[in-house]
Amino acid sequence: QVQVVQSGAEVRKPGSSVKVSCKASGGTFNNYVITWVRQAPGQGLEWMGGIIPSFGTSGYAQKFQGRVTITTEESTSTAYMELSSLRYEDTAVYYCASRPLAIHSVDYWGQGTLVTVSS
Amino acid sequence: EIMLTQSPATLSLSPGERATLSCRASQSVSSYLAWYQQKPGQAPRLLIYDASNRATGVPARFSGSGSGTDFTLTISSLEPEDFAVYYCQQRDNWPLTFGGGTKVEIK
Repeated sequence: QVQVVQSGAEVRKPGSSVKVSCKASGGTFNNYVITWVRQAPGQGLEWMGGIIPSFGTSGYAQKFQGRVTITTEESTSTAYMELSSLRYEDTAVYYCASRPLAIHSVDYWGQGTLVTVSS
Repeated sequence: EIMLTQSPATLSLSPGERATLSCRASQSVSSYLAWYQQKPGQAPRLLIYDASNRATGVPARFSGSGSGTDFTLTISSLEPEDFAVYYCQQRDNWPLTFGGGTKVEIK
């Protein structure tokens, strides 16, 4: 069973960027779909985008187009989500979730990474 | 982008009661609809996938139904640990989307 471990909390200034990582332990992200979901304080879940490394494809929610980049590094079984031009309203917990391709019955979530945007 | 509307926003019930949660999609998502449970400070937990299939380890009191644009999550008899927020997610098309959530609270 793949376990997903995310990087630690970050504090950034408005206008800067943040890069959050998500590492698979007990397996690799080969043949997985990896998605990023965020949750602002007291708010619901918001899907940001995803990547399928074995297909070399990625996709993003329109709201984040041009500001978010999701990548993977096969050698270290790590996925990354980089969000640029940060605003105060980007303060949220960012989750990485992975699911085996063509298998709908399981998904593995990271513990979440709090990103705080503050001057 | 497919919009998902969940209702009600809040459901106030007592332990032992039946909970019925609704999720409506702005266009057909076939049966590619999942339900998640989230408790404070925790990541979401997959309960139901493909509209009506329970994920591993999910108690039988949770059931899902529906197809196309209208879906329902039913908790047949609420246990104390079931009071949480529930989200639906469509997995038919990227971008994937979530509903706004239904909070099931203790009456």
